Amino acid sequence: EAQVTQNPRYLITVTGKKLTVTCSQNMNHEYMSWYRQDPGLGLRQIYYSMNVEVTDKGDVPEGYKVSRKEKRNFPLILESPSPNQTSLYFCASSFEKRPSRSYEQYFGPGTRLTVT
Amino acid sequence: KQEVTQIPAALSVPEGENLVLNCSFTDSAIYNLQWFRQDPGKGLTSLLLIQSSQREQTSGRLNASLDKSSGRSTLYIAASQPGDSATYLCAGGESYNTDKLIFGTGTRLQVFP
Repeated sequence: EAQVTQNPRYLITVTGKKLTVTCSQNMNHEYMSWYRQDPGLGLRQIYYSMNVEVTDKGDVPEGYKVSRKEKRNFPLILESPSPNQTSLYFCASSFEKRPSRSYEQYFGPGTRLTVT
Repeated sequence: KQEVTQIPAALSVPEGENLVLNCSFTDSAIYNLQWFRQDPGKGLTSLLLIQSSQREQTSGRLNASLDKSSGRSTLYIAASQPGDSATYLCAGGESYNTDKLIFGTGTRLQVFP
C-alpha cells in the first residue's frame, strides 16, 4: 500500500530533551515536507526537501533540523524542544505531475507532540 | 504574504443537502490547488487536485473549481451523508518549482441524519 508513515504517533517529552520524529514514504517521491498544525493557524511548512541531500527552510524552521540521506526517509529533529513546539506534526511527500508541473501531496497520519 | 480564507468556518446540515465550501486567496497567483479532508485526530486525505492547466476536477459526489482570476476555489458536495462529517482544507501551490502548499484553516462540516 502506498503510504507515508510517521513515528511515533504520540510523544510527550520535557523541555530540552532531543527528539527525532521519523518519516518514511514508499512511493519513490522526490519531494518531502514537514508541516505543523496549530489551532487558528492552519498548517505551516517547517522544512522541505526536493531530493536526497537537498533541503531548505519553510515558513517556520526555527528550532528544527532535517536531513535527507535517503530518498524514502525525512526525519525531523528537535535538538532542544520547547513548549511552543507543542503541536501536531505532519510529514508529506509529493511528485511532479507532467506536463502541468503541479504537485499532489500525500500526508502521513501525524505526530502529536507535547513538550512540558 | 499569501493568506487563505475558508468560509464558512463551520457548517451543520441535515443529510441529503448539497453543500458549497469556499476558499479564497489574498494573492490570486495560485498555480494549483488541492482539497483535503481531515478527520479528528487523523491525517489529511487528498480529495481533489486542480492542476495548473485545469479549472475543475470531479470525483464522485465532489466537484472542485478554481478561478485563478479572482483567487477563489469552491468545493461542491452533492447529497451529503453523515460520513462526510470532517474538516475540509484547501491549499494552494504557489509555483511550478515548489511543492509548498499554503493552507486555509478549514471548514468543519457536520452532517446529521
